[in-house]
Amino acid sequence: GENVEQHPSTLSVQEGDSAVIKCTYSDSASNYFPWYKQELGKRPQLIIDIRSNVGEKKDQRIAVTLNKTAKHFSLHITETQPEDSAVYFCAAMWADGLTFGKGTHLIIQP
Amino acid sequence: GAGVSQSPSNKVTEKGKDVELRCDPISGHTALYWYRQSLGQGLEFLIYFQGNSAPDKSGLPSDRFSAERTGGSVSTLTIQRTQQEDSAVYLCASSFSRGGTDTQYFGPGTRLTVL
Repeated sequence: GENVEQHPSTLSVQEGDSAVIKCTYSDSASNYFPWYKQELGKRPQLIIDIRSNVGEKKDQRIAVTLNKTAKHFSLHITETQPEDSAVYFCAAMWADGLTFGKGTHLIIQP
Repeated sequence: GAGVSQSPSNKVTEKGKDVELRCDPISGHTALYWYRQSLGQGLEFLIYFQGNSAPDKSGLPSDRFSAERTGGSVSTLTIQRTQQEDSAVYLCASSFSRGGTDTQYFGPGTRLTVL
């Protein structure tokens, strides 16, 4: 099956700075890579996703890059704001369902 | 429109009892997924349905877990003879199809506590 590694587990950045979260996956057949944001006690919410036929996708302050050869993908958040504080999960779609990384706790320091 | 709903939102049960967790997917979504999230952990895939069919049950943690989906809509996840290690948040998600790249939308989850 698929294995997804996510780093770092905790990331603390100053408000206004950028944050980068990285994930690697093992199954080259995976073709869909979503990122979810989960606030404490709430459901995971999709913030951006990328499909394997593109290398980069942007949505305002959020961007995701995908390197299929190296089997890694990254989430970039620019101009971070307090409301960006949450746990972020990367995932890769394989045969049956999504395999998630362990999550990154993003802390935005005022 | 209405999102994915789950019930109950919280369930406290005694060890050894059976529990049923319910998921109502987004109307028109043919694919439905169950995940489990243990305290401080990531999300663990359990099972998926395409229509009423679950082709692969190997993600279920043990034979005490079973799931069914009827009418291509509501799904129930049943845990028999619950154990303390079953305590977790059980999340359901649905997507338009099983095309592999369709967005999965999550429900609010059921927090299960086994005493």
